[in-house]
Amino acid sequence: QKEVEQNSGPLSVPEGAIASLNCTYSDRGSQSFFWYRQYSGKSPELIMFIYSNGDKEDGRFTAQLNKASQYVSLLIRDSQPSDSATYLCAVNGRNSGNTPLVFGKGTRLSVIA
Amino acid sequence: DVKVTQSSRYLVKRTGEKVFLECVQDMDHENMFWYRQDPGLGLRLIYFSYDVKMKEKGDIPEGYSVSREKKERFSLILESASTNQTSMYLCASSLTLNYGYTFGSGTRLTVV
Repeated sequence: QKEVEQNSGPLSVPEGAIASLNCTYSDRGSQSFFWYRQYSGKSPELIMFIYSNGDKEDGRFTAQLNKASQYVSLLIRDSQPSDSATYLCAVNGRNSGNTPLVFGKGTRLSVIA
Repeated sequence: DVKVTQSSRYLVKRTGEKVFLECVQDMDHENMFWYRQDPGLGLRLIYFSYDVKMKEKGDIPEGYSVSREKKERFSLILESASTNQTSMYLCASSLTLNYGYTFGSGTRLTVV
């Protein structure tokens, strides 16, 4: 059974700080990693994806992947109150076979003004 | 703008009713998915389809069935609705199973 684990939070950070969200996964063969943001009462929205070890930056967001340690993280720089949401980590299985993404339960982030 | 459209935002049904939830995508995606989301339980996969007329069970298929007669449309059917099926239902689509998913806006179903 593939598993994706996230701390449920809430993670509270002051406005302007760096928010660090972490995710670990069990399937060592996983190839693709995604971060979704979900505002309360809304559906998840894809904000980042990463396939290779290292960092990937997009604006204020940085995804970090370490396949050896089986974790992926999302850093949000200069956090804003509008970043307050639940962040879902999703991981796919191995490339072969019809295997949907496995989602973590999400970490709730609260940015305090 | 690409879209996944779910037919109803809110739905109230009675116990025992047959319920149809419709989902349409305009991105020519091969794969479509139905999830339910409940507080503390996260997203749980009900069924998915990787081609027209093809379907695969997810983690919680009991009490549900699906239909995919056309590429763009994926329907979730609750054969006999029960109160424990009260939930937020989310449809999603993707180009491949390894690619990111696009979600619809969700249907909040209440079974009374």
